[in-house]
Amino acid sequence: EVQLVQSGAEVKKPGESLKISCKGSGYNFTNNWIGWVRQMPGKGLEWMGIIYPRDSDTKYSPSFQGQVTISVDKSISTAYLQWSSLKASDTAIYYCARRNNWFDPWGQGTLVTVSS
Amino acid sequence: DIVMTQTPLSLSVTPGQPASISCKSSQSLLHSAGKTFLYWYLQKPGQPPQVLIYEVSNRFSGVPDRFSGSGSGTDFALKISRVEAEDVGVYYCMQTIQLPYSFGQGTKLEIK
Repeated sequence: EVQLVQSGAEVKKPGESLKISCKGSGYNFTNNWIGWVRQMPGKGLEWMGIIYPRDSDTKYSPSFQGQVTISVDKSISTAYLQWSSLKASDTAIYYCARRNNWFDPWGQGTLVTVSS
Repeated sequence: DIVMTQTPLSLSVTPGQPASISCKSSQSLLHSAGKTFLYWYLQKPGQPPQVLIYEVSNRFSGVPDRFSGSGSGTDFALKISRVEAEDVGVYYCMQTIQLPYSFGQGTKLEIK
């Protein structure tokens, strides 16, 4: 079964750093782009960026460029999303998803709560 | 950037009745190779999104045939022929022809 499993919920303070993960299984992880999507509380889906595990080629939405870093460790079939200095406005659920032309499957989501 | 605009933003439908959602893009989603990069997703309460329709009108594996997609260029629609209780959630259109990819605002479907 093809699946993406994300790391667990996080509670952080403003200014702290964070790295969340998305581990693929059931397929050749290097063959498909992995995208990241943000969903703020009660809001819609926002596309953040995408990475190609084979060569780490990464594309960011301008809205998120410089705000987050997307990376990958293909040796362990895992993609990452990280922040160097969190803000309260980063509170959201973050999803990873595998791209064919459509996005499927999706990870279960990682809830990130940033609060002082 | 391509802006995706969905209407309506909410729908309340009696079971067994049809429903329709419109999605308009600010630029054509037709690629020179002939494919149109328009997708429909459903996010059920408390779940990640799931793909329903790919490339305008192709039902994803396991999606009931009461769901259908249509359209071309910049105007698209998702239709549910007979709404069932399990169809509740938020429906999103998405384009992947041009970076940054983008979603519509979402249409919330509830059952009357």
